[in-house]
Amino acid sequence: SQQGEEDPQALSIQEGENATMNCSYKTSINNLQWYRQNSGRGLVHLILIRSNEREKHSGRLRVTLDTSKKSSSLLITASRAADTASYFCATDVLDMRFGAGTRLTVKP
Amino acid sequence: GAVVSQHPSRVICKSGTSVKIECRSLDFQATTMFWYRQFPKQSLMLMATSNEGSKATYEQGVEKDKFLINHASLTLSTLTVTSAHPEDSSFYICSARDRANQPQHFGDGTRLSIL
Repeated sequence: SQQGEEDPQALSIQEGENATMNCSYKTSINNLQWYRQNSGRGLVHLILIRSNEREKHSGRLRVTLDTSKKSSSLLITASRAADTASYFCATDVLDMRFGAGTRLTVKP
Repeated sequence: GAVVSQHPSRVICKSGTSVKIECRSLDFQATTMFWYRQFPKQSLMLMATSNEGSKATYEQGVEKDKFLINHASLTLSTLTVTSAHPEDSSFYICSARDRANQPQHFGDGTRLSIL
């Protein structure tokens, strides 16, 4: 399986704080992707980082990738209540499987 | 950005009914479509992968005669839950991508409730 495993399973922070979640995977990849899922909705693609990239930014999102450790992290800076959602990572290689995700709660 | 439309968003029907869920890519050609099932507070479980014009590849434990998938065009895939029973009640989500190593684009899901 090429699924990523997110950590922590749940994270609760105050608005304005930063949120960091991690993803580990098992085999070589071409890219890793982060998605967000609001309750009762489909997933929204946030960012894709390729295996030859170490860091990528998109607005308040910062993703790092360490292929030697087979891990990635997603940092959300200056969090907002609207960031409350579940976050998933997934790797490529033919199909897309998802781990349990990190449930982020941002309290206003 | 790329848009995937999934319909219906919610279905409530009696046990024994067959239910069809449609997944359409609106502004790109979906070479591959994925169907997932999600139980409350759990992750997405991949049910099957379908490539346009080919038979779907089902994950282990997913009954292909129960969950019929058709991907007849580059913009449409359908999932039919045949003779649905209460245990089939779940949140079904489709996604599509145009080629490998590209992000998936997800529909908004279908909440299926079988009475």
